[in-house]
Amino acid sequence: EAQVTQNPRYLITVTGKKLTVTCSQNMNHEYMSWYRQDPGLGLRQIYYSMNVEVTDKGDVPEGYKVSRKEKRNFPLILESPSPNQTSLYFCSTSDSYEQYFGPGTRLTVT
Amino acid sequence: GEDVEQSLFLSVREGDSSVINCTYTDSSSTYLYWYKQEPGAGLQLLTYIFSNMDMKQDQRLTVLLNKKDKHLSLRIADTQTGDSAIYFCAESYNTDKLIFGTGTRLQVFP
Repeated sequence: EAQVTQNPRYLITVTGKKLTVTCSQNMNHEYMSWYRQDPGLGLRQIYYSMNVEVTDKGDVPEGYKVSRKEKRNFPLILESPSPNQTSLYFCSTSDSYEQYFGPGTRLTVT
Repeated sequence: GEDVEQSLFLSVREGDSSVINCTYTDSSSTYLYWYKQEPGAGLQLLTYIFSNMDMKQDQRLTVLLNKKDKHLSLRIADTQTGDSAIYFCAESYNTDKLIFGTGTRLQVFP
């Protein structure tokens, strides 16, 4: 079954404590992406990766890092989280015309 | 720049038709999508349309595209309570990066 998995699904943390949200796909897709969803703003792209070791900034990259050491995984790293990064995060993969989204990670930074 | 706009709310009676509207600014968009997000869930691709098409029908869903006005609509026939969700339109030039609208919350009442 084609899947995009994210972990954790829910996380409450404190300002400044480094965290990583993992994303994994089993579809052998080259393109992966991270979005954040905020009320009234829709989804905005944070970072994307065209292939292994190739990553680039999206529309709202500040405060985030990513890595793509292998095709199936695309972790999102918050080195020093701040309250304005409280949001719902989605990982996605793409092949041809369709994007597949993970179930989302709800992050709260206090 | 790229921008996708939707109205925030729509309320309809069960059994009626729902029409969710979307306008976009990027005339080079090749693909236009409708996604559904149920409470606490990820994004589910409902349907998509290529920019060289005017209409696409898929069971209860009808997508209309007016390229001249850069207007996209999603019509749901015989709306059911299970259709209550947030609906996002999205545009893409190369199928990788999606530009999302703000989402329309559809509420279906008996």
